[in-house]
Amino acid sequence: DGGITQSPKYLFRKEGQNVTLSCEQNLNHDAMYWYRQDPGQGLRLIYYSQIVNDFQKGDIAEGYSVSREKKESFPLTVTSAQKNPTAFYLCASSLQGGFGANVLTFGAGSRLTVL
Amino acid sequence: EDKVVQSPLSLVVHEGDTVTLNCSYEVTNFRSLLWYKQEKKAPTFLFMLTSSGIEKKSGRLSSILDKKELFSILNITATQTGDSAIYLCAVGTNAGKSTFGDGTTLTVKP
Repeated sequence: DGGITQSPKYLFRKEGQNVTLSCEQNLNHDAMYWYRQDPGQGLRLIYYSQIVNDFQKGDIAEGYSVSREKKESFPLTVTSAQKNPTAFYLCASSLQGGFGANVLTFGAGSRLTVL
Repeated sequence: EDKVVQSPLSLVVHEGDTVTLNCSYEVTNFRSLLWYKQEKKAPTFLFMLTSSGIEKKSGRLSSILDKKELFSILNITATQTGDSAIYLCAVGTNAGKSTFGDGTTLTVKP
């Protein structure tokens, strides 16, 4: 079945440590996204990529980094520079153009807790 | 800066009630407005609206967009406990970016 796989589902990290969240899709989508969701809030865009080897900052990129070396993969690194990293992280993908553009398919999410 | 505002933020109703969720927006290079349902983890797609005044309908759910007044509504008739969820409104731009509102948490009591 086509879909998006995020791992790990739950992650605990000590302050000062970097952590990388994995996102893999087999939908053949060109565009991929990372969102952060805090309790009682909607989704805020961290980074997005519309093509391999290219990505753009979203609204809250500070303290995060990404790479897009393969079409299927868009890992997110939460660095020690992110002041409040405890949150629920959602990866999504979409078609680049045409009717399906902007329709996001989401992974099941990764919940990061900083101890 | 692109902005999407949803209201109300939370709503509690009883089974059988009809609810209306609101979404207003201010974005540059509007392409589409989308509604998603989030029950536990991953939001799932409900509707995409691109043209003003054309209602999209799926069972008991329907939605309409007003591009002149920059808002959309999502209606749910004859609510069921399974409709309890967070309903997210998002606006997609021609640049491929989607901006979300804070969501409306709907609770349907038996």
